[in-house]
Amino acid sequence: AQSVAQPEDQVNVAEGNPLTVKCTYSVSGNPYLFWYVQYPNRGLQFLLKYITGDNLVKGSYGFEAEFNKSQTSFHLKKPSALVSDSALYFCAVRVTWVISNFGNEKLTFGTGTRLTIIP
Amino acid sequence: NAGVTQTPKFQVLKTGQSMTLQCAQDMNHEYMSWYRQDPGMGLRLIHYSVGAGITDQGEVPNGYNVSRSTTEDFPLRLLSAAPSQTSVYFCATEGRAVGEQFFGPGTRLTVL
Repeated sequence: AQSVAQPEDQVNVAEGNPLTVKCTYSVSGNPYLFWYVQYPNRGLQFLLKYITGDNLVKGSYGFEAEFNKSQTSFHLKKPSALVSDSALYFCAVRVTWVISNFGNEKLTFGTGTRLTIIP
Repeated sequence: NAGVTQTPKFQVLKTGQSMTLQCAQDMNHEYMSWYRQDPGMGLRLIHYSVGAGITDQGEVPNGYNVSRSTTEDFPLRLLSAAPSQTSVYFCATEGRAVGEQFFGPGTRLTVL
């Protein structure tokens, strides 16, 4: 079974400082990894994903994430935090080992990390 | 394009009542899914569909039914509401870009 862990329920960062939101995963095959963001009273929005290739992936709003296979991690980062980055962030994983898009295609989400940027 | 729409936005039910949460999309995506979001538990998959006429169970399917008669619509039915079904429900679609799901605005359901 695949699973995702976000060890921090809450992360507080001063505006302008770098931020990191942690995510580790557990899968029995090759992972596809994702980050989503949720603003208050809204649905989730896709931020970025790792499928294959370069371990550092860049996404929307200046966010990036680094895939580390040995540590089974996919931490979300940003060099300089903005107050507008305050939101709920979800890491997600999918495992697929069939050619079609819809093999074992369930997307498993972590429990979320609330990021607060302090002005 | 409207993207993914959900109705209603809010709903209060009494225990034992039934209702249908509506989800519609205009992106021609084959994959659609329903999640529930509860504090401290993240999003949990209820049911999903990989195309019209095909549905399957997710992580927490008990108490919910779905059907997919068209590509555009994927309604979620609560047959006999229970307080444990108090939650925020999200519908999501996925196209050819693997894992990039588009979420609706959600339905906040309270069961008394």
